[in-house]
Amino acid sequence: ELQLVESGGGLVQPGGSLRLSCAASGFIFSNYGMNWVRQAPEKGLEWVSYISDSSSTIYYADSVKGRFTISRDDARNSLYLQMASLRDEDTAVYYCARGHAYNYDRDFDYWGQGTLVTVSS
Amino acid sequence: EIVLTQSPGTLSLSPGERATLSCRASQSFSSSFLAWYQQKPGQAPRLLIYGASSRATGIPDRFSGSGSGTDFTLTISRLEPEDCAVYYCQHYGSSPMFTFGQGTKLEIK
Repeated sequence: ELQLVESGGGLVQPGGSLRLSCAASGFIFSNYGMNWVRQAPEKGLEWVSYISDSSSTIYYADSVKGRFTISRDDARNSLYLQMASLRDEDTAVYYCARGHAYNYDRDFDYWGQGTLVTVSS
Repeated sequence: EIVLTQSPGTLSLSPGERATLSCRASQSFSSSFLAWYQQKPGQAPRLLIYGASSRATGIPDRFSGSGSGTDFTLTISRLEPEDCAVYYCQHYGSSPMFTFGQGTKLEIK
């Protein structure tokens, strides 16, 4: 069964750092582009970052560029998001989402259940 | 940056009725770049439609997508109680790579 399980969320002070992880199983992780998408409380979806299957291509939303770093470890079937200089507006549930390879990574075909990041003093 | 505007904000219908959800873009783009998602309360989003009209794996044929250019539609025929959810459209572009509409909340009476 395909699974994406996020971890690493929690309460952090403004200006602090946090590292999110996403453990993948049930598919050949190294063959897929991966994304982080977030959702602030009671708000809509916002794409955060993308990493290609080979890690050769990485993109970020302007709102996190220079503060967040996406990476992957194919040997561990894991995706990561290193978050620094956190702001109140980064408070959200962070979802790990698989790129839809059949459609050239133009959408997200599987999602994890999310991990909550709360930035507050 | 392409902006997606979904309407209506909230839709309230009865079981068995047909729901029509709209997603309008600020600029025209290829239908290959439009997807729809369903998000039930407390759950992660689920891919329903990609390429504007192709159903994702396991999605019942009650769900259909259409449209081109700047106007796209998600239609749910024969509504069931479990269709109660927020529905989002999503565009694949260049900068930013992905944008979402603000969502349409579907209520089943």
